[in-house]
Amino acid sequence: RKEVEQDPGPFNVPEGATVAFNCTYSNSASQSFFWYRQDCRKEPKLLMSVYSSGNEDGRFTAQLNRASQYISLLIRDSKLSDSATYLCVVGRIRGSGNTGKLIFGQGTTLQVKP
Amino acid sequence: DTAVSQTPKYLVTQMGNDKSIKCEQNLGHDTMYWYKQDSKKFLKIMFSYNNKELIINETVPNRFSPKSPDKAHLNLHINSLELGDSAVYFCASSQPGTGVGTDTQYFGPGTRLTVL
Repeated sequence: RKEVEQDPGPFNVPEGATVAFNCTYSNSASQSFFWYRQDCRKEPKLLMSVYSSGNEDGRFTAQLNRASQYISLLIRDSKLSDSATYLCVVGRIRGSGNTGKLIFGQGTTLQVKP
Repeated sequence: DTAVSQTPKYLVTQMGNDKSIKCEQNLGHDTMYWYKQDSKKFLKIMFSYNNKELIINETVPNRFSPKSPDKAHLNLHINSLELGDSAVYFCASSQPGTGVGTDTQYFGPGTRLTVL
């Protein structure tokens, strides 16, 4: 079983749609959670961190359920520019410093169509 | 003013050759990483250095050897290249904090390696 699992999609949605991505992680010792975005043939970039209380950044809302080991990302009012691969990422602390490693999911591909 | 840069961007080479990929970051970060992204798009960590010291060394063939001459540079040398080494290799850097959590990692543009 992969440590971080996502539905690879692709998700094809019209502009203006609301779309939700889900992710599960297997290691209960995981301490930090993120969504990264990767455009085709580009490097991953941090979209947002995910906090236990849930957090929102404009049209993007992230939720974390530690009991179920489940992370979600909701995108409202989809734009053409949202088309990308969204990577669910889980981190662990290593030693006393924050030099933990990140475990990446396979990514969910979103294609927003006009 | 590229934050994390890698050279070369593309690398095409024959099986059995030895090649190096260079990475530099100008963010003043203490920690640098090498990741491999294969054809199925999985991004997996290979190595991590904190202030020139190796701290993460995943199960990677010993043909891969990272070298960190200073904390702003982390190079990756690959000996005896194999077909299965074809992938995109990303360098990244982060600055360890003092609170709980793993800090944001900033990625370089990637090096697309093709082994023929």
